[in-house]
Amino acid sequence: EAQVTQNPRYLITVTGKKLTVTCSQNMNHEYMSWYRQDPGLGLRQIYYSMNVEVTDKGDVPEGYKVSRKEKRNFPLILESPSPNQTSLYFCASSLTRSSPLHFGNGTRLTVT
Amino acid sequence: TQLLEQSPQFLSIQEGENLTVYCNSSSVFSSLQWYRQEPGEGPVLLVTVVTGGEVKKLKRLTFQFGDARKDSSLHITAAQPGDTGLYLCAGASHFNKFYFGSGTKLNVKP
Repeated sequence: EAQVTQNPRYLITVTGKKLTVTCSQNMNHEYMSWYRQDPGLGLRQIYYSMNVEVTDKGDVPEGYKVSRKEKRNFPLILESPSPNQTSLYFCASSLTRSSPLHFGNGTRLTVT
Repeated sequence: TQLLEQSPQFLSIQEGENLTVYCNSSSVFSSLQWYRQEPGEGPVLLVTVVTGGEVKKLKRLTFQFGDARKDSSLHITAAQPGDTGLYLCAGASHFNKFYFGSGTKLNVKP
């Protein structure tokens, strides 16, 4: 089954403790991206990747890092999480940058 | 401020009623997509509209792209409880970057 898999689904952590949210897709998609969803603000893009070893900042990249060492994986790294990064995070992939997005089921992160 | 403004933000209606959700912008988009998101899940694509004035139908859902490609609407006929969810529009800029609206939360009561 074609899908985007994120882990974990829920994460509670404390300020400053590094964490990684994994994202994997099995559709051989070139384009992958990370979004955060906050009430009233919709989905805002954090980072995106056009292909392996090619990543770029989205609209809200501060406090986040990504890597794209393999085509299928696109982890999101928070080196020193802060409470304002409490949010619902979605990974998405598409065949090309202009193709419809396939989303994972989300990771709800709480930073205390 | 959002590049794409959706209205209304919330909508609670009875089963069988009709409704329209609007997605407006001052920017021109090369295409516009509508997604539906259910609680605990990621958004799922409903439709993509590309041509100004284009109308697409998906069973009881009718999508329209404005002539100037700055706005879009989603009309649901005879809404059912299964239509409940968050509806998101997303416009693709000429650089193929997607901008999402803040969403319309629809609740259809039996």
